[in-house]
Amino acid sequence: EVQLVESGGGLVQRGGSLRLSCAASGFIVSSNYMSWVRQAPGKGLEWVSVIYSGGDTYYSDSVRGRFTISRDDSKNTLYLQMDSLRSEDTAVYYCARRVAVVQGVTKSVYFDYWGQGALVTVSS
Amino acid sequence: QSVLTQPPSVSAAPGQKVTISCSGSSSNIGNNHVSWYQQLPGTAPKLLFYENNKRPSGIPDRFSGSKSGTSATLGITGLQTGDEADYYCGTWDSSLSDVVFGGGTKLTVL
Repeated sequence: EVQLVESGGGLVQRGGSLRLSCAASGFIVSSNYMSWVRQAPGKGLEWVSVIYSGGDTYYSDSVRGRFTISRDDSKNTLYLQMDSLRSEDTAVYYCARRVAVVQGVTKSVYFDYWGQGALVTVSS
Repeated sequence: QSVLTQPPSVSAAPGQKVTISCSGSSSNIGNNHVSWYQQLPGTAPKLLFYENNKRPSGIPDRFSGSKSGTSATLGITGLQTGDEADYYCGTWDSSLSDVVFGGGTKLTVL
């Protein structure tokens, strides 16, 4: 059974740092594309970052330069290091397995498994 | 402001049918596949459809997905109170080179 379990959320001051972890079971993290998606209180979903199986990483404009996605293959765990946190980073952060399929010029990108979420609150 | 446009809310009575629209453009829905997610209150999103109309195992066939041009539609028949949730559409945007989501639609089963 596939399972994703986040940890590391909490309250942090503006400008501070926090590291989220996402422990996976039932599949191999390093063989898949893994993402972080966040949801601000009462708001919709926002893609944050992805790490490809080959190790390439990408970020949304809102977090590029401040957040770092990584993984530990020996622990089958995904991480999100969040630095220079801002009040607008307050959200529930979900790790999710991302699937991407290209068929000619048509791309299919979706998230088939999600963790339970970790709440990050940035206080001013 | 979300790249994909969804109605903020829809409602219908138990047993009835409801549809939720998701409108985009040629850079996203028009040329890429759409996925749909269900988020029950206080829980994580759950994949309902991928590649417009493909249902993961365990998703009842009361749920349907379709796409036409730059819009997609989620349909739910035989509404149950347990279907009350927020529903999100998502797709790849070729211009932004990013995954984009709709703003979400809150379904109320009266």
